[in-house]
Amino acid sequence: QLLLQESGPGLVKPSETLSLTCTVSGGSVISSRHFWGWIRQTPGKRPEWIGSFRDGRGTFYNPSLKSRVTMSVDTSTNQVSLRLSSVTAADTALYYCVRHAEQRDAVPAFDNWGQGILVTVSS
Amino acid sequence: EVVLTQSPATLSLSPGERATLSCRASQSVDIYLAWYQQKPGQAPRLLIFDASNRATGIPARFSGSGSGTDFNLTISSLEPEDFAIYYCQQRKVWPPLTFGGGTRLEI
Repeated sequence: QLLLQESGPGLVKPSETLSLTCTVSGGSVISSRHFWGWIRQTPGKRPEWIGSFRDGRGTFYNPSLKSRVTMSVDTSTNQVSLRLSSVTAADTALYYCVRHAEQRDAVPAFDNWGQGILVTVSS
Repeated sequence: EVVLTQSPATLSLSPGERATLSCRASQSVDIYLAWYQQKPGQAPRLLIFDASNRATGIPARFSGSGSGTDFNLTISSLEPEDFAIYYCQQRKVWPPLTFGGGTRLEI
């Protein structure tokens, strides 16, 4: 069974960098079929895709966040990390780790989500 | 960026009734549209992918249709647990992957 578990600080100061980690269990972050990514959601708002990585395909970011976002993968720990710099109150949200695919040999949608981690940006 | 517009914003129905939710794309997304259900305090759950394919474990009362720019999610006979927020999402043109604004299905 695939499990995605987000971790990181729940409180970040304005102008600092938000850093989150997603630990993947029951699957590998090095996959030719699946992307591993991040989505955030503010209560009452639509989910916002942040970025995704797939081995051999590269990393893709939301253009609206691209200048501030970096994603990386650690194959030794099977983790996907997110860094978002220069945060403001507008970055306060529930951050989800997700899995999705592109081709029909896997489910081509966000078929697995972590439970989410609330990150508040405040001084 | 593909903009997805969902209607209605809120749909008020009773258990046993039929629900039809709509999602319109600002440009053609072929069949590359998914639907999710979200309940309070939970992550979204995938219901339908590629317009009409039910995800694993999703009851047959949920069905999806459409192509191009107009899509529907139909729940044939509402169960009490179906009252939630529903989002559509496209994967045809990305980045970015985009979601609709949601439809709240309430009793």
